[in-house]
Amino acid sequence: SQQGEEDPQALSIQEGENATMNCSYKTSINNLQWYRQNSGRGLVHLILIRSNEREKHSGRLRVTLDTSKKSSSLLITASRAADTASYFCATELPNDYKLSFGAGTTVTVRA
Amino acid sequence: AAGVIQSPRHLIKEKRETATLKCYPIPRHDTVYWYQQGPGQDPQFLISFYEKMQSDKGSIPDRFSAQQFSDYHSELNMSSLELGDSALYFCASSLVKRQGAGEQFFGPGTRLTVL
Repeated sequence: SQQGEEDPQALSIQEGENATMNCSYKTSINNLQWYRQNSGRGLVHLILIRSNEREKHSGRLRVTLDTSKKSSSLLITASRAADTASYFCATELPNDYKLSFGAGTTVTVRA
Repeated sequence: AAGVIQSPRHLIKEKRETATLKCYPIPRHDTVYWYQQGPGQDPQFLISFYEKMQSDKGSIPDRFSAQQFSDYHSELNMSSLELGDSALYFCASSLVKRQGAGEQFFGPGTRLTVL
């Protein structure tokens, strides 16, 4: 079974609002990463947070990591129509370089 | 900056045919990964190579094989294609460091349609 689970499955918000999505995982990780995918296109790396980090920012993105709860959240502030995409969390396990992806959250930003 | 290159971008095959997907990783990256993403699903790891040696294997059918060549490009060979093999196939590359593989750089994918 997949390492990461995400919720919600889908999110629809108005432009300018914030979008929050959550990811839970099952085993200890080396790091957790968030990727964006526009419909049928490639995966774009957004941000990586290591297991010893609790929060990270990149532009309008804020990621938190709670290793005690085995969960992470991605916050997109002041959303734009161009943020419409699917967002996946992915975990890298210790000594295991492959990524295990969650099911993804589909975000729709309405203009 | 150079990105991961995949070819072809689209491929249409009949059942029981074979297909070969190619991947050219970012120069100086030492690890290549292959992922399969079915319609509406998350990417699933297939196989990876570190310095041209197979390093890990995921849910890859026995009908599939892959290799990495001396110039670091990789090929995914798929035989006896089935309808269920229709998917997006991504190649990714990374530079493994002491703290792990870190960010993986994904190619645009090859969309395989099996009729």
